[in-house]
Order: sequence, then structure tokens, then C-alpha cells
Amino acid sequence: QKEVEQNSGPLSVPEGAIASLNCTYSDRGSQSFFWYRQYSGKSPELIMFIYSNGDKEDGRFTAQLNKASQYVSLLIRDSQPSDSATYLCAVITTGANNLFFGTGTRLTVIP
Amino acid sequence: DTEVTQTPKHLVMGMTNKKSLKCEQHMGHRAMYWYKQKAKKPPELMFVYSYEKLSINESVPSRFSPECPNSSLLNLHLHALQPEDSALYLCASSQAGRYEQYFGPGTRLTVT
Repeated sequence: QKEVEQNSGPLSVPEGAIASLNCTYSDRGSQSFFWYRQYSGKSPELIMFIYSNGDKEDGRFTAQLNKASQYVSLLIRDSQPSDSATYLCAVITTGANNLFFGTGTRLTVIP
Repeated sequence: DTEVTQTPKHLVMGMTNKKSLKCEQHMGHRAMYWYKQKAKKPPELMFVYSYEKLSINESVPSRFSPECPNSSLLNLHLHALQPEDSALYLCASSQAGRYEQYFGPGTRLTVT
């Protein structure tokens, strides 16, 4: 059974701080990892994807992947109130082309 | 450009109605997807079309009928829905050989 787990939160951080969002997955065959941001009432927006072990940085966002520990995380530096949203972790396993989503972590950035 | 469009934005239908949801992308993507999302839950995959052929049907009831008329268009035909089918219906697409999926804005469906 393929499972993707996230802490549902809510996670609250002050403006300007680093927000750290975590995700674990059960299927060792998982190859591709994604972070989506979803504002209330809106659709998911792809903000990061990572395929190799290590870190990947894009602006204020850093995705970190550790396949041995089956762990992927998202760091948001200099958090802004506009970052307040639900963050969905998603994975694709080998041979599949559909996303398996975690339940999401709700982030609130306090001004 | 990573734009996927969906119409209508909102739809209210009775249990005896027939309606259709439409999704369109002009990015040359060759895979298109339908997801259903209930409140405070993650999206759930319904159907996958790859090169205009249905490749995945996640045991979706027959009252939902997908159609892919061409590589840019994806429809979801709805008939005899139940109130529990009320949800946000999301369309997504991805480029051939890539796994990143880009979502449209969704259609908020209410079944009365």
C-alpha cells in the first residue's frame, strides 16, 4: 500500500522565520517528489519538484530528499503571510504516472 | 506558460441532470488527468489519459464518464450524480516524458 504522510498541523511561524514542512513515504520505489501549495478554495499549485537525493533550491524554497530515510521536506525561508496555505506532498512511484498525495500541512505565517 | 483552463467554475445540478465539465490546455502536454477533491482532503485521482487514450480508471462509478476528443481537450460527463459527489473537480496535465502535473483552477460542483 502506497502511503504518503504529513503532519496536518497547523504549523504557525512568525513572519521572516523559516518554515519546515516534512513528508514521509512508504513505497521505496518512489522516484519523483512534489510540493504543491493550495490556498483555501483554490487549486493546487506546483512549487517544487525533486528527483535526486540532496537539496534543490528555488528562490525562498528548498526541497530536501533523503531516499534512504524515505523522507522529503520543504523549507520556506523568510516566510511571508502570503505563504499561509496548505502544502501538499505528492509522490510518483516507478512505473506509475499518477500522483499520490499526503493529507497536507496547513501553514500559517503570523505577521 | 503552464495554464490549464476549466469550465464552468461553478456548477449546481440536480440528481437527474446531465452535465459536462471541460478542461483545455495548449501546452502540448500529452497526459491529462481528472481528480476529485473533497473539503480538507487531498485530491484523489479519477482518470488518466495518455496520448488521448484512457490509461487509468481508478474504479470510478459509471455516472462519471471521461472523454478526450483531442490532445488539448478533456471532458467529464456527469449523469445521475449523488449529493456525495459534490466536490472540487480538478483537471491536470503533464508533458510527455515528464512527471510534473499542472492543475487547472477546478470546477466546484454541487449536487442537490
